[in-house]
Amino acid sequence: GDSVTQMEGPVTLSEEAFLTINCTYTATGYPSLFWYVQYPGEGLQLLLKATKADDKGSNKGFEATYRKETTSFHLEKGSVQVSDSAVYFCALSDRGSGGSNYKLTFGKGTLLTVNP
Amino acid sequence: DAGVIQSPRHEVTEMGQEVTLRCKPISGHDYLFWYRQTMMRGLELLIYFNNNVPIDDSGMPEDRFSAKMPNASFSTLKIQPSEPRDSAVYFCASSGVAGFTDEQYFGPGTRLTVT
Repeated sequence: GDSVTQMEGPVTLSEEAFLTINCTYTATGYPSLFWYVQYPGEGLQLLLKATKADDKGSNKGFEATYRKETTSFHLEKGSVQVSDSAVYFCALSDRGSGGSNYKLTFGKGTLLTVNP
Repeated sequence: DAGVIQSPRHEVTEMGQEVTLRCKPISGHDYLFWYRQTMMRGLELLIYFNNNVPIDDSGMPEDRFSAKMPNASFSTLKIQPSEPRDSAVYFCASSGVAGFTDEQYFGPGTRLTVT
């Protein structure tokens, strides 16, 4: 079945440091890929997405490139801020094998803490 | 728009009691999703609806869980009887016509504690 694997957290960085959160996936079809962010006490918000191979999603200084050859969608930001502290989820949507229904699968989430 | 609205925000109940969680999706959205989030299992999709019709409930953990969407602006997730292992944060989300390839808008969640 489909799965998403994210790097284990927590990740602690100093302000202005470079961020990478690794995400790899397995899927039976041609999935769309997403990064969602969850701030404390809130629901998830879409951060960026990519719907086909080699697409780059970007938003608020974050970027991720859909790499079909390595089945990866790593999240990067060149200079993090304290306000980026949150939990980040990698996710994919794909038609499940044997049926026509879409499945949305999330990774476990990675807690990022940015210190001043 | 007010976004996805969930109620209650917090629910504390005793084992064996019935619990009903409520969700109002964003107006005009065709898809509605119910998720459960726990430390152990992460974020799990329980069920989703398209145009008020349940499409896939394979994520519903057992018969104690049921969900309904009587109209386009309201959905409920019911647990009867509740058990301590049901303690989690339950999220409702909605999205537009594209469904899973479209952005999902999440509500603030209901934190359920079953003692």
